[in-house]
Amino acid sequence: GAGVSQTPSNKVTEKGKYVELRCDPISGHTALYWYRQSLGQGPEFLIYFQGTGAADDSGLPNDRFFAVRPEGSVSTLKIQRTERGDSAVYLCASSKQENTEAFFGQGTRLTVV
Amino acid sequence: AQSVTQLGSHVSVSEGALVLLRCNYSSSVPPYLFWYVQYPNQGLQLLLKYTTGATLVKGINGFEAEFKKSETSFHLTKPSAHMSDAAEYFCAVRPLGGYNKLIFGAGTRLAVHP
Repeated sequence: GAGVSQTPSNKVTEKGKYVELRCDPISGHTALYWYRQSLGQGPEFLIYFQGTGAADDSGLPNDRFFAVRPEGSVSTLKIQRTERGDSAVYLCASSKQENTEAFFGQGTRLTVV
Repeated sequence: AQSVTQLGSHVSVSEGALVLLRCNYSSSVPPYLFWYVQYPNQGLQLLLKYTTGATLVKGINGFEAEFKKSETSFHLTKPSAHMSDAAEYFCAVRPLGGYNKLIFGAGTRLAVHP
């Protein structure tokens, strides 16, 4: 596709449930990033993939959060035992190389009730 | 640790007036600097960036920003606001070299009224 695609655009889940958020990066982009944007705040870095491997996962808040990119393209952010505090917009970005411009998707708005 | 401060969470200007959105960063070494814009229900879009070279950077939609090392600032300006400029604006920094591990400010929501 022409841009970074994230699905679903909105997700409402009950506290304690498991969710998966998907990111389709721009074709040919080797670098992929996940950010989280809480209400009234700027995006915060979660994790960076170079190809299939997570090169930096220092932003993941705890072990309930996990992300994969098995074929070096699509990535899935997985959240176990969701909590109300996980409610936020989850943004995905990709770049052709690690230090070139990052293009952001529209985000997935996650609401935990 | 690096940080970004955006002064004013909300800024309101009249159409045709000067837009000034303030950004200060904290870093022991001047980082790469960015301004992003976020329109409602859309992703972040890069407005402009400073990496090296000329300190006055021009971006899209008539915006520009000036890197001032002595003031650790990277304020965003536009001479004449347009209604379509209403959006949220984020200043961000990134360490020299490396990858897009951006540190964002909290954002400034710009309102433009007739």
